[in-house]
Amino acid sequence: AIWMTQSPSLLSASTGDRVTISCRMSQGISSYLAWYQQKPGKAPELLIYAASTLQSGVPSRFSGSGSGTDFTLTISCLQSEDFATYYCQQYYSFPRTFGQGTKVEIK
Amino acid sequence: QVQLVESGGGVVQPGGSLRLSCAASGFTFSSYGMHWVRQAPGKGLEWVAFIRYDGSNKYYADSVKGRFTISRDNSKNTLYLQMNSLRAEDTAVYYCAKDYLPVRGVLVRTPLDYWGQGTLVTVSS
Repeated sequence: AIWMTQSPSLLSASTGDRVTISCRMSQGISSYLAWYQQKPGKAPELLIYAASTLQSGVPSRFSGSGSGTDFTLTISCLQSEDFATYYCQQYYSFPRTFGQGTKVEIK
Repeated sequence: QVQLVESGGGVVQPGGSLRLSCAASGFTFSSYGMHWVRQAPGKGLEWVAFIRYDGSNKYYADSVKGRFTISRDNSKNTLYLQMNSLRAEDTAVYYCAKDYLPVRGVLVRTPLDYWGQGTLVTVSS
């Protein structure tokens, strides 16, 4: 199985801040990485796939980068609706694996 | 619009069984691979199982292999998860989710684009 290390687990930030979340793989996965946003009591939503492609309807303040083993999710100007938990997921091979999650909270 | 509606969750004793269902609508169900993903209370996401569009291949997490069985009925647009020998650590909200792309080839490499609202399974005596 491919192991993923997502960091940080908790990120305290203010509206308007630029925030970055990292995801590191135990082996290379090319660009087969997705990012999901989950709000309390709700199902996850797909934000980014293929490491850097925004899903339809996702605001342009979200961006993704990386390939191989190191990936990053950036929110350029944090909005109130962005306070949530974010997960990376590799879809290069089975079993699929998710990162441990990063909770973005209000500072 | 795409809809995935899970059902079948509830409280079950350790060692018991439960079958979850996921009713799909708004897309050509028979063309897409489908997944089950779970989330224990206060914890992160854990992928559970996958089934190809035609049911020809199935994959499982090591934590459920040999106990859980994923299946589908394309004539009823429904996905299933049969869970046997349940343990306390199987307590979670179970989500069904669809593949983003309809993959026919051998390599299934596509993210999950739509998720259901989840159904809670509690394993407790």
